[in-house]
Amino acid sequence: NAGVTQTPKFQVLKTGQSMTLQCAQDMNHNSMYWYRQDPGMGLRLIYYSASEGTTDKGEVPNGYNVSRLNKREFSLRLESAAPSQTSVYFCASSGVRGLTGEQYFGPGTRLTVT
Amino acid sequence: SQKIEQNSEALNIQEGKTATLTCNYTNYSPAYLQWYRQDPGRGPVFLLLIRENEKEKRKERLKVTFDTTLKQSLFHITASQPADSATYLCALRLSYNTDKLIFGTGTRLQVFP
Repeated sequence: NAGVTQTPKFQVLKTGQSMTLQCAQDMNHNSMYWYRQDPGMGLRLIYYSASEGTTDKGEVPNGYNVSRLNKREFSLRLESAAPSQTSVYFCASSGVRGLTGEQYFGPGTRLTVT
Repeated sequence: SQKIEQNSEALNIQEGKTATLTCNYTNYSPAYLQWYRQDPGRGPVFLLLIRENEKEKRKERLKVTFDTTLKQSLFHITASQPADSATYLCALRLSYNTDKLIFGTGTRLQVFP
């Protein structure tokens, strides 16, 4: 099992450019999440999907869109990148293992917007 | 306002000692509290969780306590090793109806030989 995979690992964008971060999980989990992590701010939830076909906003959704393509895949799109979106982005998933809701994280995407 | 606080200063301890990390929260009534470990350049990894009706949980050298009156969790690593050096994050799960978590900012632990 690969767990949670993310692509790309690194990306540099110019202000105004768009890109999509890809995430996939092979654990048959229902819920998937996108977080950003900034120094001193911790992990902040951007969007999450409780099940295939549903998405909902988290704490910091502005400037982002998401698509839950199927049960395995959850993508994050930046339509017009801004320097404030420079961050490390993590995708995570959780199932119903023991109903405890622990989350499994991908390796992250380090994004720089110049 | 709602807050989760972890000591932002790094905790430096000698190998073999017990490391104790603190997680305090305000204005939440979590169903669960979870602890994660994060190594530089990697995603967090789940370690332990404790439910609202539990006082203490152990797993090998790890121990977590949960005081819902004080709104505090303590995370202990006994007989610490240099390999335990990492950032440790606490996270609150606010209800049984959602898997969403609210994360603290984490505390960096450095264990010296």
